[in-house]
Amino acid sequence: GENVEQHPSTLSVQEGDSAVIKCTYSDSASNYFPWYKQELGKGPQLIIDIRSNVGEKKDQRIAVTLNKTAKHFSLHITETQPEDSAVYFCAAPYNNNDMRFGAGTRLTVKP
Amino acid sequence: EPEVTQTPSHQVTQMGQEVILRCVPISNHLYFYWYRQILGQKVEFLVSFYNNEISEKSEIFDDQFSVERPDGSNFTLKIRSTKLEDSAMYFCASRVGRTVYGYTFGSGTRLTVV
Repeated sequence: GENVEQHPSTLSVQEGDSAVIKCTYSDSASNYFPWYKQELGKGPQLIIDIRSNVGEKKDQRIAVTLNKTAKHFSLHITETQPEDSAVYFCAAPYNNNDMRFGAGTRLTVKP
Repeated sequence: EPEVTQTPSHQVTQMGQEVILRCVPISNHLYFYWYRQILGQKVEFLVSFYNNEISEKSEIFDDQFSVERPDGSNFTLKIRSTKLEDSAMYFCASRVGRTVYGYTFGSGTRLTVV
């Protein structure tokens, strides 16, 4: 089955710096890779996703890159702001049905 | 924007009691899910539900758990006899089609077993 590993578990950056979070997955058949942001007391919110037919996708300050050969994908946040502080989860599909999540990265953006 | 609604937001129950967590998925969605998140840990898959039956369940989803779609709108998770280790956030999710795109999560129910 799908196994998703996420690093780092915590990340602290200064406001304005970039943050990068990395995930690896095990199932080479996986073809969809979402990233979720979870703020305190809330459910995971989809912030960006990528399908396996592209290598990079960008949405304003957020980008995701995918390397299918190496089976890893990364979240890039540029010009970080304090409101970016949250826990970020990567995920990959299992059996084209449910999602398997990484362990999460707690991002802290210091003003 | 359509939302997945979960009630209650927080439930406290005594060990051994039954609890029912409720979810109203997005109206045109066909696939429904429950996930669990123990404090500070990753989000874990519990069960998926499609066409009025369980399509997949994890090893966490043992005989103490059951799901039901009693009417056209609600999707419930029942824990028959709660244990202390059932304390967690429980998230409902739904999606519309056969692919995994477009998952939407509810805001969760915090279950505290005392």
